[in-house]
Amino acid sequence: ETGVTQTPRHLVMGMTNKKSLKCEQHLGHNAMYWYKQSAKKPLELMFVYSLEERVENNSVPSRFSPECPNSSHLFLHLHTLQPEDSALYLCASSHLMTSGANVLTFGAGSRLTVL
Amino acid sequence: AQRVTQPEKLLSVFKGAPVELKCNYSYSGSPELFWYVQYSRQRLQLLLRHISRESIKGFTADLNKGETSFHLKKPFAQEEDSAMYYCALTDAGGTSYGKLTFGQGTILTVHP
Repeated sequence: ETGVTQTPRHLVMGMTNKKSLKCEQHLGHNAMYWYKQSAKKPLELMFVYSLEERVENNSVPSRFSPECPNSSHLFLHLHTLQPEDSALYLCASSHLMTSGANVLTFGAGSRLTVL
Repeated sequence: AQRVTQPEKLLSVFKGAPVELKCNYSYSGSPELFWYVQYSRQRLQLLLRHISRESIKGFTADLNKGETSFHLKKPFAQEEDSAMYYCALTDAGGTSYGKLTFGQGTILTVHP
């Protein structure tokens, strides 16, 4: 499959569970992102990885733990989440350019429900 | 700090009518502005960006630095334009790592 693929598409978990969201890009991009999309809130940037190195962490609670083992894969490990963490989690990738104007390609998202 | 404001959460027009989706931003640096669109059951995708100065699907947007606005316009709306539209901003320099700050989004509904 081409583009940005996210799995699972839907996830229901209890507050004591540990689960992971996976993102894979087949575009040859060198940067990957996690965004959170909640109802009634703008899309919020969570993490940015450039060349597999985390370059941004927007004050995200430690119960969210990202991992970028290589330039094509990005994970979001989840543990002891709260019901307010229920949201659509979007992965994106881009080809970073020195002049800015990077265009992000988004995945379809993983819909997370925390009970 | 960066901030993007889309004052209209919902916008309804009839087919063939002009449409304008408003976007205002606040940023002390050099901004790069985008419009992203999400059609029903589809993923978020780029519609256009200001540096390209292009028209996509009949939509145009002009960056007005004096008014700090980047409104999206189309002279004749079509039913297939119904979607959620997001205005987004990043720093035009090379150190932003492509980080986008999004507005709250505007749901456009085009009635037949």
